[in-house]
Amino acid sequence: GAVVSQHPSWVICKSGTSVKIECRSLDFQATTMFWYRQFPKQSLMLMATSNEGSKATYEQGVEKDKFLINHASLTLSTLTVTSAHPEDSSFYICSAITRAGGTHSTDTQYFGPGTRLTVL
Amino acid sequence: AQSVTQPDIHITVSEGASLELRCNYSYGATPYLFWYVQSPGQGLQLLLKYFSGDTLVQGIKGFEAEFKRSQSSFNLRKPSVHWSDAAEYFCAVAPYGGSQGNLIFGKGTKLSVKP
Repeated sequence: GAVVSQHPSWVICKSGTSVKIECRSLDFQATTMFWYRQFPKQSLMLMATSNEGSKATYEQGVEKDKFLINHASLTLSTLTVTSAHPEDSSFYICSAITRAGGTHSTDTQYFGPGTRLTVL
Repeated sequence: AQSVTQPDIHITVSEGASLELRCNYSYGATPYLFWYVQSPGQGLQLLLKYFSGDTLVQGIKGFEAEFKRSQSSFNLRKPSVHWSDAAEYFCAVAPYGGSQGNLIFGKGTKLSVKP
């Protein structure tokens, strides 16, 4: 099946610094990518949707200036956590689908393995 | 508001025993329904999905799920569990006709398998 990778798999940073997380679709072109956040013992929460070549759409309550998303190519999306603070520590997961909008029944969302962010 | 409930946080079953993981959803209409499995260090993998038609859905790895509209449920089953099935299982819904990206996940059920 299709593979989505994330880099790094884990990162520790100091409070106030910025961290970039990469999400790549390895063997398919992803017109749409999604970014999720998962807290311990909690479900995944959708943060934003990004379509290649356009601005990301953020979910309510997600600060777009803090979580910068760039989807510059059909195989790469990046999430930058700017001026990270301890409360931003979490597990960030990306996913990708091939069809924009993902409404067709044959579309499948492929998930990356996640990135563990710890802010000291 | 739309929501997904997985009542069991942690389930332990013996290898070879049958398994049923519960999932209930709250939504105004029949949504798209999904079951994902998450293993440590790996991304969520789609086990099966229901969009319409036959309410008994077959998935990968020997899993199946049954959609029951009257109970707003989409329980996952497997007749004989293998040790490799130990993982976290997530039920998810997406609005009917909407983008699959708008998935609403349950909190997950962790499955442990006893030898």
